[in-house]
Amino acid sequence: GAVVSQHPSRVICKSGTSVKIECRSLDFQATTMFWYRQFPKQSLMLMATSNEGSKATYEQGVEKDKFLINHASLTLSTLTVTSAHPEDSSFYICSAREVGTLSLDGYTFGSGTRLTVV
Amino acid sequence: GQNIDQPTEMTATEGAIVQINCTYQTSGFNGLFWYQQHAGEAPTFLSYNVLDGLEEKGRFSSFLSRSKGYSYLLLKELQMKDSASYLCAVRDNEAAGNKLTFGGGTRVLVKP
Repeated sequence: GAVVSQHPSRVICKSGTSVKIECRSLDFQATTMFWYRQFPKQSLMLMATSNEGSKATYEQGVEKDKFLINHASLTLSTLTVTSAHPEDSSFYICSAREVGTLSLDGYTFGSGTRLTVV
Repeated sequence: GQNIDQPTEMTATEGAIVQINCTYQTSGFNGLFWYQQHAGEAPTFLSYNVLDGLEEKGRFSSFLSRSKGYSYLLLKELQMKDSASYLCAVRDNEAAGNKLTFGGGTRVLVKP
């Protein structure tokens, strides 16, 4: 089945630094990549939607200058948390939608990245 | 936009049945998903409904009523490993980018 590789799985960074999270579709082409954030004991909150070759669409309340999303190819999307602060500590998960698929198999999740900002 | 409600927590006994309800109000609807998520892990797909009725997959079944904006996930013959969060997610239509919007999740605790 479709696999999305997400790295790193865990990262600890100092306040004020930037962190890049990668999601790579291994055996399919991802037209669309969704980026979610999940705080402890809460559900997944959609941050932004990115389509290959175009600018990401951010959900209301998500700072696009802080959370930079790049979807340069059909197999790679990156999320960069810039000038990270402790309140950005969270679980970040990507989800890829396969080209030409609109079915229950159309969404494949990465394994998530636990970001801790100290 | 989407407004999705599900209970926060449920407790059940091993071997029993639990039903997790999900109600939604949407501006566009193109299917409803149920996912299971263990702490610190990514969600795993359980079921998908786009037409009214019941979908059965082994111990898990999911029901949808589009006119009522209502779905439930039924877990039968509960096992200890079923202790997890269960997420209801509604998909937007194509014009809205086929986004999945998740409910708050229901934490199910299975007791011996």
